Amino acid sequence: QQPVQSPQAVILREGEDAVINCSSSKALYSVHWYRQKHGEAPVFLMILLKGGEQKGHEKISASFNEKKQQSSLYLTASQLSYSGTYFCGTAAGNKLTFGGGTRVLVKP
Amino acid sequence: DAGVTQSPTHLIKTRGQQVTLRCSPKSGHDTVSWYQQALGQGPQFIFQYYEEEERQRGNFPDRFSGHQFPNYSSELNVNALLLGDSALYLCASMLQTGIYNSPLHFGNGTRLTVT
Repeated sequence: QQPVQSPQAVILREGEDAVINCSSSKALYSVHWYRQKHGEAPVFLMILLKGGEQKGHEKISASFNEKKQQSSLYLTASQLSYSGTYFCGTAAGNKLTFGGGTRVLVKP
Repeated sequence: DAGVTQSPTHLIKTRGQQVTLRCSPKSGHDTVSWYQQALGQGPQFIFQYYEEEERQRGNFPDRFSGHQFPNYSSELNVNALLLGDSALYLCASMLQTGIYNSPLHFGNGTRLTVT
């Protein structure tokens, strides 16, 4: 079952904040976050593990809510370089199942 | 430190033909996964190879097959191409410690167009 990401798209002004949610119908044990810029490969941001701490990458952080079966990615004081499509991936077995992505556009 | 490399970058094939895509993993990585990414969608897992064996497979027909070589490089073969096979094919490598705590390193992909 594919995790559901929301919102599907968000437009920000430089310096603004945004939250991207990733919800699963199954129990979560590990959630990956990746960013993909147009025409490029997805780039790893961070992994959140069940029972683990909130992680951070530059001014991007993420949390893991076991009860809600959800992970959230926080873009703080957004920069132009944060533009791209963000994907969460839920780990099970030997594979990642990716959500449909959230398109983020940061404008000057 | 060489990252994941894929070849070719672009490919145009006719319906019914066969195609082979190639991937060299990041240095030090021994596990290779293949993903299909349709336009505007998230990557879909095709299969994973470790120690030259297919370790897990996603919901893809038998027309999709693969191979891993002793040097950890990998090939993805697709037979009897359909128009719906047009997509970006991504190769990702990682250490075999497991997907739960190992990040995937993606190549830039092969853009396959089936006409």
